[in-house]
Amino acid sequence: DTAVSQTPKYLVTQMGNDKSIKCEQNLGHDTMYWYKQDSKKFLKIMFSYNNKELIINETVPNRFSPKSPDKAHLNLHINSLELGDSAVYFCASSPSKTGRNEKLFFGSGTQLSVL
Amino acid sequence: GQNIDQPTEMTATEGAIVQINCTYQTSGFNGLFWYQQHAGEAPTFLSYNVLDGLEEKGRFSSFLSRSKGYSYLLLKELQMKDSASYLCAVRDFWASGTYKYIFGTGTRLKVLA
Repeated sequence: DTAVSQTPKYLVTQMGNDKSIKCEQNLGHDTMYWYKQDSKKFLKIMFSYNNKELIINETVPNRFSPKSPDKAHLNLHINSLELGDSAVYFCASSPSKTGRNEKLFFGSGTQLSVL
Repeated sequence: GQNIDQPTEMTATEGAIVQINCTYQTSGFNGLFWYQQHAGEAPTFLSYNVLDGLEEKGRFSSFLSRSKGYSYLLLKELQMKDSASYLCAVRDFWASGTYKYIFGTGTRLKVLA
């Protein structure tokens, strides 16, 4: 009954490979996000979707392609992985895109290591 | 532009009080959040301020001054389990009625026995 669940928790892969991270929320929220946390613990937004529609795309390379089949799911596909993609990727959700006092609920993170 | 600053590391003793400061510059401020993140875990919500003043919640309090672009998180009666990173985040107006949550780099707090 985890609120925001993402898989896998750990992902180790070779440079040049393609990989996907999946995220699902059972909170009934309209808005979902992908954040990247680097080795210095800086949490930077990558994408935001509201009810399956892309609303924020923060200058992320085209190799990253989010997909939202429905408002409860937001997956992240990464093509041609590079060393610099190594980081922890967090999925998050919030009730809506416009509401006030709406905190983010985070998934447990996916630690991606590109060798 | 958007900028959020907080100290990188702080150390305090069990039972003491510690204040973690956060200064921010954003164009469409719509609330400030504090999150706690233990090593290897997801950030979890601690507090929210949108109006000036102090919000108290048990051992944790958070203060906001919008005119100064300043907030702090106050932790009282420190416990060893409070050793974690504390992330300051601002919700900033983005476009078309949407908001973006912008995080600072986090303050790593070490509580010593």
